[in-house]
Amino acid sequence: SQTIHQWPATLVQPVGSPLSLECTVEGTSNPNLYWYRQAAGRGLQLLFYSVGIGQISSEVPQNLSASRPQDRQFILSSKKLLLSDSGFYLCAWSALAGVGEQFFGPGTRLTVL
Amino acid sequence: AQSVTQLDSHVSVSEGTPVLLRCNYSSSYSPSLFWYVQHPNKGLQLLLKYTSAATLVKGINGFEAEFKKSETSFHLTKPSAHMSDAAEYFCVVSDRSSGGYNKLIFGAGTRLAVHP
Repeated sequence: SQTIHQWPATLVQPVGSPLSLECTVEGTSNPNLYWYRQAAGRGLQLLFYSVGIGQISSEVPQNLSASRPQDRQFILSSKKLLLSDSGFYLCAWSALAGVGEQFFGPGTRLTVL
Repeated sequence: AQSVTQLDSHVSVSEGTPVLLRCNYSSSYSPSLFWYVQHPNKGLQLLLKYTSAATLVKGINGFEAEFKKSETSFHLTKPSAHMSDAAEYFCVVSDRSSGGYNKLIFGAGTRLAVHP
């Protein structure tokens, strides 16, 4: 069966510090990968998606970047965090074939102070 | 373009009573529809999905949803609420994007409270 991991689970960082969040998927090959952000009391915002190694598309302009160095690894980064980067970050995967359902990781709670 | 409207931002029920969470969608073609549940500080879990097969879809934890094309609705129901059902529920439609993947369009969410 497929599993998706995210770490760390929680993170408190000062403004201006760098960020690296990692997501890995097990039990599947060639998945589509996604990063979402969920701000407090708000819905999910798609930040990035990837259909293959090294292929990253950004949905919204922002202070963040993403990379996919391996087939089942997806990394979310920032060089300098802003207060507005605080939120709950979710990684998800979907199969290339299929009806489009995505499977979500446990999330990372980021607080920028 | 696809869109989803969840008609209630908050629903409160007593334990053991039925649950109804309402969702209407807009789609230019036959959609794929999903319900996800999110417990506090957790990821989203897929409850069920509709993919143009049977209109009544059964999911996990006793939930089910009925696809009604004439009403463009996909309401989520459960006969008897349990305390552990308290969570945020998202109705979602899949939109075939130009980027080579199925983009998910999320509703705003319905927070379900279950009282003893």
